[in-house]
Amino acid sequence: EVQLVESGGGLVQPGGSLRLSCAASGFTFSRYWMHWVRQTPTKGLVWVSRINSDGSTTNYADSVKGRFSISRDNAKNTLYLQMNSLSAEDTAVYYCARLSVTTGGVAFDVWGQGTMVTVSS
Amino acid sequence: ENVLTQSPGTLSLSPGERATLSCRASQSVSSSYLAWYQQKPGQAPRLLIYGASSRATGIPDRFSGSGSGTDFTLTISRLESEDSAVYYCQQYGSTYTFGPGTKVEI
Repeated sequence: EVQLVESGGGLVQPGGSLRLSCAASGFTFSRYWMHWVRQTPTKGLVWVSRINSDGSTTNYADSVKGRFSISRDNAKNTLYLQMNSLSAEDTAVYYCARLSVTTGGVAFDVWGQGTMVTVSS
Repeated sequence: ENVLTQSPGTLSLSPGERATLSCRASQSVSSSYLAWYQQKPGQAPRLLIYGASSRATGIPDRFSGSGSGTDFTLTISRLESEDSAVYYCQQYGSTYTFGPGTKVEI
């Protein structure tokens, strides 16, 4: 079964750090670009970051650039998101997602169950 | 940033009826980069449609997508109670953006 399982969420104080993990199984993880997407009731679904298949290329939303760092360990089939200098605006459910690229189109075809990050004192 | 607007905000229909959901982009979107997702409470989004009109694996044929340029549509031809959910469109251009969603109540 193709699966993504996030972990590492929790309560953190403003200015703090947190590292999220996303364990992949059931597919060849090293072949796919991987993404992080977050969701809040007020802003909805917002793309956060992406990393290419071998980890050599990363991109970030302006709102997290310089604070968040995406990485991957293809030997461990795991995606990471290091989040620093957290603020209340980073409070959200964080999803990892696989990007599928076919001749028919491009879309996030596999999603994790999400992990909640709450930034509060 | 390409802003996606979805309408209506909420759609209340009965089983067996047809639902038509709209997604409008502020800039033209390549059809290859337009997708639709379904999200039920407490669950992650699920891919329904990619490439504007191709159904994802395992998606019933009552779901269909159409459109091009800045106007796209998701149609659910015969609503079932399990279709109650929020539906999001999503595009990729210079970055990835999602619409605010349409809630379908059955």
